[in-house]
Amino acid sequence: QKEVEQNSGPLSVPEGAIASLNCTYSERGSQSFFWYRQYSGKSPELIMSIYSNGDKEDGRFTAQLNKASQYVSLLIRDSQPSDSATYLCAVLERADGLTFGKGTHLIIQP
Amino acid sequence: EPEVTQTPSHQVTQMGQEVILRCVPISNHLYFYWYRQILGQKVEFLVSFYNNEISEKSEIFDDQFSVERPDGSNFTLKIRSTKLEDSAMYFCASLQGVGDTQYFGPGTRLTVL
Repeated sequence: QKEVEQNSGPLSVPEGAIASLNCTYSERGSQSFFWYRQYSGKSPELIMSIYSNGDKEDGRFTAQLNKASQYVSLLIRDSQPSDSATYLCAVLERADGLTFGKGTHLIIQP
Repeated sequence: EPEVTQTPSHQVTQMGQEVILRCVPISNHLYFYWYRQILGQKVEFLVSFYNNEISEKSEIFDDQFSVERPDGSNFTLKIRSTKLEDSAMYFCASLQGVGDTQYFGPGTRLTVL
């Protein structure tokens, strides 16, 4: 049974601070890792993808992957109120369905 | 920017009725997916479709479900006899090729009464 675990939160972060979101996964053969953002009642929106160990930066977002520890994280720098949403970690083994975590509810406090 | 579209945005049906949810994937994409999200729960994979056939399906995707690509643009999910527990958001996604990213449509909210 493929599992992706996330702390459901809520995670409350002051505006301008760094938000740190974490995810672990069970399938060691997983190859691709994604962070999606989901606003209430809306569909998942891709934030970042990462495929190899290390860090990947895109604007205010940095994804980190450690395959040995089966751990993925997302850092959001200079957090804005508009970043308030649920962040979904998703994992892919092959060209098939994504396995999602339950998501972390992030609240950015103005 | 190309996007995945879904119709209808909200579907209300009576238990036992058949429903068809429609999706138009991004035009040059080759892989198609359906997911569902029950209110307050995680997004769950239902089925993937490639080269006009199902490539993978989850335990949720039982005999009540079927998918079809009836023409070059539409991708449909049919639920033959809806149950109360089928009430959920249903998301379609498409992917250009292996190693690419899945892009999600806006979803169809299915309410079974």
